[in-house]
Amino acid sequence: AQSVTQPDIHITVSEGASLELRCNYSYGATPYLFWYVQSPGQGLQLLLKYFSGDTLVQGIKGFEAEFKRSQSSFNLRKPSVHWSDAAEYFCAVGLYNNNDMRFGAGTRLTVKP
Amino acid sequence: DAGITQSPRHKVTETGTPVTLRCHQTENHRYMYWYRQDPGHGLRLIHYSYGVKDTDKGEVSDGYSVSRSKTEDFLLTLESATSSQTSVYFCATTEGEGLTDTQYFGPGTRLTVL
Repeated sequence: AQSVTQPDIHITVSEGASLELRCNYSYGATPYLFWYVQSPGQGLQLLLKYFSGDTLVQGIKGFEAEFKRSQSSFNLRKPSVHWSDAAEYFCAVGLYNNNDMRFGAGTRLTVKP
Repeated sequence: DAGITQSPRHKVTETGTPVTLRCHQTENHRYMYWYRQDPGHGLRLIHYSYGVKDTDKGEVSDGYSVSRSKTEDFLLTLESATSSQTSVYFCATTEGEGLTDTQYFGPGTRLTVL
C-alpha cells in the first residue's frame, strides 16, 4: 500500500544539538517530496521540497533534507537546533499527474534548554 | 500565509446538522484544497479545486461536498455532521499548477460534532 512513514512520534533534543527527522515513503515512482512545520495552533509552513536534481535540498530556517532513492527516504536535518524550532514536523509526498498530497503522521520536536 | 482566512475558526454542532466551512483567499490562486487533521494521521486531503466550478475528490471525501463559485472562495459542506467528522480543518492554496508550487495554509477551523 502507498504510504508515508515518520517512525518517530516524538523527539527531544537539547538546544544546539543536531537534529535528524526520518521520513520513508512507499510509492511506485519518485514522488514530489516535502517537509512542513506546524507551530501550535497554526497552519503548516513549507520548509523545503524536492522534485528532481540535486538530492540535497536546502530550505528555510537552516533546514536541509536529503533524498535517497535506494532507501525511499527523505530525512530532514538541522546542524544546530534552536528553542524556536520546537514544533510538529510533517513529511509529505505529492503524487504525479494529480493533486493528491499524502502526509505522514508527524514528529513532534521538543527542545530542551 | 497568502492571505487565507477560514471561517468560522471554531464551531460546535450536533450530529445530523449541516455545517459549512468557508475558505477565502486574496491572492487569486488557482488551486485550493481542504484537509482534515487528526492525531496520528497527519493531514488528509478531502477535496480540491483547480478552478471555478472545477473540483475533485481527495483521499477522504465521503460525507463531504465542496463548491467554488468564485476564485477566492472554497466552501466545504458536511451535509449531515457525524462525530467522526470532529477534526481540525485546513484550507490551502497554490498559485500555479498544483503540487509543483508551494502550498499556503490557512489558520484552521476546529469543528466539534457532539
